[in-house]
Amino acid sequence: EVQLVESGGGLVKPGGSLRLSCAASGFTFSSYSMNWVRQAPGKGLEWVSSISSSSSYIYYADSVKGRFTISRDNAKNSLYLQMNSLRAEDTAVYYCARVEMATINYWGQGTLVTVSS
Amino acid sequence: QSALTQPASVSGSPGQSITISCTGTSSDVGGYNYVSWYQQHPGKAPKLMIYDVSKRPSGVSNRFSGSKSGNTASLTISGLQAEDEADYYCSSYTSSSTWVFGGGTKLTVL
Repeated sequence: EVQLVESGGGLVKPGGSLRLSCAASGFTFSSYSMNWVRQAPGKGLEWVSSISSSSSYIYYADSVKGRFTISRDNAKNSLYLQMNSLRAEDTAVYYCARVEMATINYWGQGTLVTVSS
Repeated sequence: QSALTQPASVSGSPGQSITISCTGTSSDVGGYNYVSWYQQHPGKAPKLMIYDVSKRPSGVSNRFSGSKSGNTASLTISGLQAEDEADYYCSSYTSSSTWVFGGGTKLTVL
């Protein structure tokens, strides 16, 4: 069974940093591209970033480019999102998601990030 | 990276059919057969209901179907049931090797 478990969310002040982690199990993690997708409270889904299976290809939404860094450790079956210079508008539930043939097909339960003074 | 356009809300009575539209551009919906639809209940993670425009993952009811014409994709739910009440999001792969989501549609089963 595919399992994705996010952690690392919490309350942070504007301008602060946070590192999210996603532990993957139930599939060969090193064979799949992975995404981060977020959802602000009461709002819709927003794609944030993607990373290919070998980390060769990395993409970011314009809204986070230059502030967020996606990475992965295939030996540890883990995905990460380093978030710097956080803003109030980054407040959201952040989902880790698996990609298969351009489809986001499995999602974690999400971790809440709140940016507030 | 503009969001795909979905109606904010749709409604239907049990047993009826509803259709949710999702309009994009030739750089996303119209350019690829990589349109997906997700169901999200309150406080839960999204669940994949349709992928590659019209394919259903194992375990998803055949009451859910998808289609596409030009830059607009559609999700149809037939034989509406109370449990179908949820938010629905479309998504498409894009020419920039990114993904884009629709704004979401709240389905109310009357």
